[in-house]
Amino acid sequence: GEDVEQSLFLSVREGDSSVINCTYTDSSSTYLYWYKQEPGAGLQLLTYIFSNMDMKQDQRLTVLLNKKDKHLSLCIADTQTGDSAIYFCAENEAGGYNKLIFGAGTRLAVHP
Amino acid sequence: EADIYQTPRYLVIGTGKKITLECSQTMGHDKMYWYQQDPGMELHLIHYSYGVNSTEKGDLSSESTVSRIRTEHFPLTLESARPSHTSQYLCASSPGQGSYEQYFGPGTRLTVT
Repeated sequence: GEDVEQSLFLSVREGDSSVINCTYTDSSSTYLYWYKQEPGAGLQLLTYIFSNMDMKQDQRLTVLLNKKDKHLSLCIADTQTGDSAIYFCAENEAGGYNKLIFGAGTRLAVHP
Repeated sequence: EADIYQTPRYLVIGTGKKITLECSQTMGHDKMYWYQQDPGMELHLIHYSYGVNSTEKGDLSSESTVSRIRTEHFPLTLESARPSHTSQYLCASSPGQGSYEQYFGPGTRLTVT
């Protein structure tokens, strides 16, 4: 079945760039998503990319998609302490129920 | 900003009690979902609905039940709470019709003692 994998932890210095990686298995996914979860909160949709795109930029966020390798990256420029959170990658499951398959999440820690 | 609400935000309850976690959205979304998430861990889909009077079990088996009598409302019920039900419960909705993104509520953190 479909699977989404992420590295579990990333630590960066404030002001540096962060790169969070994700691999997925379902080549028929139409969209791929990045969500952010702060402690004790729900998931916030950060950005998404359509599967026929290679790159999408939105202010400090850049999403890179390598469809051949089924590899998705989220790049955060000028990382701030407020970016500390868990980041979930997700792909849509084929079918009509809009089900998403989530990775286990990458915990981003930003230190001074 | 999505308008999806969950109550209560926090609940501590004794074993054997019946509880209902509320979820409402004002966006008219047809599709709604319940996830269970242990702190800092991955999400597990436990129930979903693609419209009024339709409910389906998710990928993770759960002793909870859901109902969908109105589009905007998707409550989750535990008939007899047990300590193993201690977790965070997240509700989400999706517009559907070619748009797959899901919008999440703030979650209910349930502790069963």
